[in-house]
Amino acid sequence: ETGVTQSPTHLIKTRGQQVTLRCSSQSGHNTVSWYQQALGQGPQFIFQYYREEENGRGNFPPRFSGLQFPNYSSELNVNALELDDSALYLCASSFPGTGLYGYTFGSGTRLTVV
Amino acid sequence: DAKTTQPNSMESNEEEPVHLPCNHSTISGTDYIHWYRQLPSQGPEYVIHGLTSNVNNRMASLAIAEDRKSSTLILHRATLRDAAVYYCIPSTYNTDKLIFGTGTRLQVFP
Repeated sequence: ETGVTQSPTHLIKTRGQQVTLRCSSQSGHNTVSWYQQALGQGPQFIFQYYREEENGRGNFPPRFSGLQFPNYSSELNVNALELDDSALYLCASSFPGTGLYGYTFGSGTRLTVV
Repeated sequence: DAKTTQPNSMESNEEEPVHLPCNHSTISGTDYIHWYRQLPSQGPEYVIHGLTSNVNNRMASLAIAEDRKSSTLILHRATLRDAAVYYCIPSTYNTDKLIFGTGTRLQVFP
């Protein structure tokens, strides 16, 4: 079975621009969660998608938005980029009912905002 | 969610046992304790979880205090590949959102 794939692996954007990050979930997983990890910190929960709908959101502003597609892949969109948005963005897929031990993470997209 | 306290960093020599502590004094009676680790340049990966009894799997053992206010992740023989940040995450079983703290960075020396 394939794991979670994220693209691109690295990205450099200018402050004020918009960015789209992509995630393909593990086979059989229909839930996707996005996390932001600043340098030296633990991952912070952004939001989760289940059946193409947002299913919970962390403390992030509305300029962070997402989509989930019928094949369970997902996108994270960030508008009006700020320097503090520079971070590793992690995607994780899971299947409801498997509990928190069922998360599979991708290796992340490293976003640098200059 | 229960708050956790973990040491910022720990060191070990290769092939020695490692005991990684976690304090979760505000844990509720139905909270499971999950451990994830994050190897360099990778996303977090599941290690082990438990409720009350000690647990073993191929990666590690989890020792849970009788009052459940603390737990210890045990790596029986550390290898260089075990160098990672280890996260202790208490949460109710029916939640589906992993909430991370700052974790413990484990260094393993040859």
